[in-house]
Amino acid sequence: EVRLVESGGALVQPGESLRLSCAASGFTFSTYSMNWVRQAPGKGLEWVSYLSSSSDATYYADSVKGRFTVSRDNGKNSLYLQMNSLRAEDTAVYYCARYNYDYAGGASDIWGQGTMVTVSS
Amino acid sequence: DIVMTQSPDSLAVSLGERATISCKSSQSVLYSSNNKNYLGWYQQKPGQPPKLLIYWASTRESGVPDRFSGSGSGTDFTLTISSLQAEDAAVYYCQQCYSIPYTFGQGTKLEIK
Repeated sequence: EVRLVESGGALVQPGESLRLSCAASGFTFSTYSMNWVRQAPGKGLEWVSYLSSSSDATYYADSVKGRFTVSRDNGKNSLYLQMNSLRAEDTAVYYCARYNYDYAGGASDIWGQGTMVTVSS
Repeated sequence: DIVMTQSPDSLAVSLGERATISCKSSQSVLYSSNNKNYLGWYQQKPGQPPKLLIYWASTRESGVPDRFSGSGSGTDFTLTISSLQAEDAAVYYCQQCYSIPYTFGQGTKLEIK
């Protein structure tokens, strides 16, 4: 079964850091680029970050640039999002999603269940 | 950045009737070299992650019922549900995958009348 499982969400104070993880299984993780997408409570979807399969290309939304860092360990089939200097507006469910360029033109065809990050004092 | 605008923000449709959702992009998402539109449609039900329905603007994802169809090109796109079923109540999003940032529309909430 193709699966993505996020973890690491928590309640943190403004200015603190947090690292999210996404464990992939059921497919050859090392051949796929990946996205992080977030959703604030009651709001729509916001693309956050992209990481290529070999980690040679990374992109970020302006709202997180300079504060968030995406990385991966293909040997561990895992994707990460290091979030620093967290703000209240970063409060959201964070999803990792498989980016499928060849088959779906870059659409995200597999999504995890999400992990909740709450930034509040 | 490419801005994606969906309309309407919400709609209520009776069972068995047709539902139509529009998505407009501020720039073309048609890649001329392969004549493909880099536009996807997702369905999200409460408490669940989004589910890919349509990619390349009109190609149905495997396992998606054929009552769902996508159309359009360039900057104007439509998601149509031909005969609404109760399980289709959800929020629907379009997303452009043409250029970074991969922006989403604001979402359209579809309810059963």
